[in-house]
Amino acid sequence: ETVMTQSPATLSVSPGERVTFSCRASQSVSHNLAWYLQKPGQAPRLLIYGASTRATGIPARFSGSGSGTEFSLTISSLQSEDFAVYYCQQYNNWPWTFGPGTMVEVK
Amino acid sequence: EVQLLESGGGLVQPGQSLRLSCVASGLTTFSSDVLSWVRQAPGKGLAWVSSINGRGDLKSYADSVKDRFSISRDNSKNTVFLQMDGLRADDSALYYCARSGVVPVFESWGRGAPVTVSP
Repeated sequence: ETVMTQSPATLSVSPGERVTFSCRASQSVSHNLAWYLQKPGQAPRLLIYGASTRATGIPARFSGSGSGTEFSLTISSLQSEDFAVYYCQQYNNWPWTFGPGTMVEVK
Repeated sequence: EVQLLESGGGLVQPGQSLRLSCVASGLTTFSSDVLSWVRQAPGKGLAWVSSINGRGDLKSYADSVKDRFSISRDNSKNTVFLQMDGLRADDSALYYCARSGVVPVFESWGRGAPVTVSP
């Protein structure tokens, strides 16, 4: 199976800062990479698919990039509602697999 | 607005069975959408469990649940099911129902059904 890794595990950030975190696949997943945000006690929410396409209703401060095995998610100016756990997920190779998540916490 | 509502979770002993249901509303495309189950153990990350295509004739399972879990759907009732047999302690998790459209990503999620397997 395709193993997804994310770094860092935790990121301490102040509101308004720009943040970037990474996702790596153990084998190529082409552009078939999605990002989700999950707040405590809530279901995940789709942010990005196709590595760089924002899902419906997702603000422009979220941007994704990468292809193959290396991907990143950038939040241009962190808002209070963005403090959460972010998961990447590949949908190129069965079974679909998720990364372990990056927690973005208040500094 | 798409809504997915799971039910059927609970506390069972190892080896027992549970059947989860997920009813979809606000969808005009249910019979063509892929429906999936994704689980999350307490304090852990997300793990895909199973998916079923719109017609219900293509099903896939994670290795960890293959031969124990069975996914099915009733398009007349906008409902997808997950029959879980031979439950083990490591199956304890919050089970989310999720919908995929044209792109095979999880666009919509339910709130989850908790499953606890304990003696």
